[in-house]
Amino acid sequence: DQQVKQNSPSLSVQEGRISILNCDYTNSMFDYFLWYKKYPAEGPTFLISISSIKDKNEDGRFTVFLNKSAKHLSLHIVPSQPGDSAVYFCAASGDASGSARQLTFGSGTQLTVLP
Amino acid sequence: KAGVTQTPRYLIKTRGQQVTLSCSPISGHRSVSWYQQTPGQGLQFLFEYFSETQRNKGNFPGRFSGRQFSNSRSEMNVSTLELGDSALYLCASSANRLANEKLFFGSGTQLSVL
Repeated sequence: DQQVKQNSPSLSVQEGRISILNCDYTNSMFDYFLWYKKYPAEGPTFLISISSIKDKNEDGRFTVFLNKSAKHLSLHIVPSQPGDSAVYFCAASGDASGSARQLTFGSGTQLTVLP
Repeated sequence: KAGVTQTPRYLIKTRGQQVTLSCSPISGHRSVSWYQQTPGQGLQFLFEYFSETQRNKGNFPGRFSGRQFSNSRSEMNVSTLELGDSALYLCASSANRLANEKLFFGSGTQLSVL
């Protein structure tokens, strides 16, 4: 049972346009959400995160939106650049003890930004 | 500051063998987590170690085990390898176990089981 789902395995966007990557989750105990970016032959690198008490978090070209009622989050990249081409993983955590070291990841979306 | 280091980068084994993977966390980091990545499956949590103790374990069979040493370095062992164990194994470290603390990943060990 996948608790975090990324239903689009791939996405192609023109350089300069907006990229929107989507993620759905089923576990209402999740209270912290993250996006990681992964290039081939490298480990995932942290991109941006959002706590469940917020509905938006922005960091430069990257914005994450959280819709708790719909159990949906999205990552917006504006403007998209060719260097953004990578696999993007959505991840969630939630732990009643407050220590959330176990991340539940989605299956990833391959973003390709076309020059 | 050096990042998370995993060795070896690539490994080829045959069914029934066992394998040990190594992870050196970022200096000063005390928490080490292991994840398995297979095509189309995302990253699956294996286990987490902190202060030489396993703190959390994912839904994997007992063939998967690990340990952490006093210098925070960690090893992961898989016994009686199966074809389905072919995957990228990723190690991640964080300074402590604080909620919402960022994880830093290594480049992984690509294991192929023939």
